[in-house]
Amino acid sequence: DAGVIQSPRHEVTEMGQEVTLRCKPISGHDYLFWYRQTMMRGLELLIYFNNNVPIDDSGMPEDRFSAKMPNASFSTLKIQPSEPRDSAVYFCASTRALSGNTIYFGEGSWLTVV
Amino acid sequence: KQEVTQIPAALSVPEGENLVLNCSFTDSAIYNLQWFRQDPGKGLTSLLLIQSSQREQTSGRLNASLDKSSGRSTLYIAASQPGDSATYLCAGPTSGNTPLVFGKGTRLSVIA
Repeated sequence: DAGVIQSPRHEVTEMGQEVTLRCKPISGHDYLFWYRQTMMRGLELLIYFNNNVPIDDSGMPEDRFSAKMPNASFSTLKIQPSEPRDSAVYFCASTRALSGNTIYFGEGSWLTVV
Repeated sequence: KQEVTQIPAALSVPEGENLVLNCSFTDSAIYNLQWFRQDPGKGLTSLLLIQSSQREQTSGRLNASLDKSSGRSTLYIAASQPGDSATYLCAGPTSGNTPLVFGKGTRLSVIA
């Protein structure tokens, strides 16, 4: 398997622009996670899906953030409008089950908002 | 709310040394525990998974232990090598149906 695939790997955008991050989980994995990593706060869970259904979005910082999973092989994280404080690395991860299963991460999307 | 602390935040050791990385949870109700490695500019790679019924796991030069009663875990690296230089993160869920909570990691540098 190719692993978790994220795109774009790097994005630089201007404040106020819309940003869309994409993720393809590992085939057969029922859970998909979106994390954000910063030096100050470490790795934070934003939202996770089970069988394409959002289970917990309490980590989404504000209404500017939204995530969708239209099918088992694709998810998006959208920021609209973007702000400089959104600059971070955004990781997508997937796993077969929450209990006792290894979680696999993508390489991350490095976002810079200027 | 579960919080994970990793000590030390950074560590530099000469090649060949044995070392221990620490991880502790504010809520000792940890279901299982994973240790991850993150190289600069990369995602996280799972190293070891200690299942809920286990106390430790070993893979090569790595050994991880979990003490649920105290909410602590350690990662032991034997005979460290420059290739071990990376950030090591621990993570665990509080139950079998909750997602992982991560520590901020320990940045390890092994000097040749």
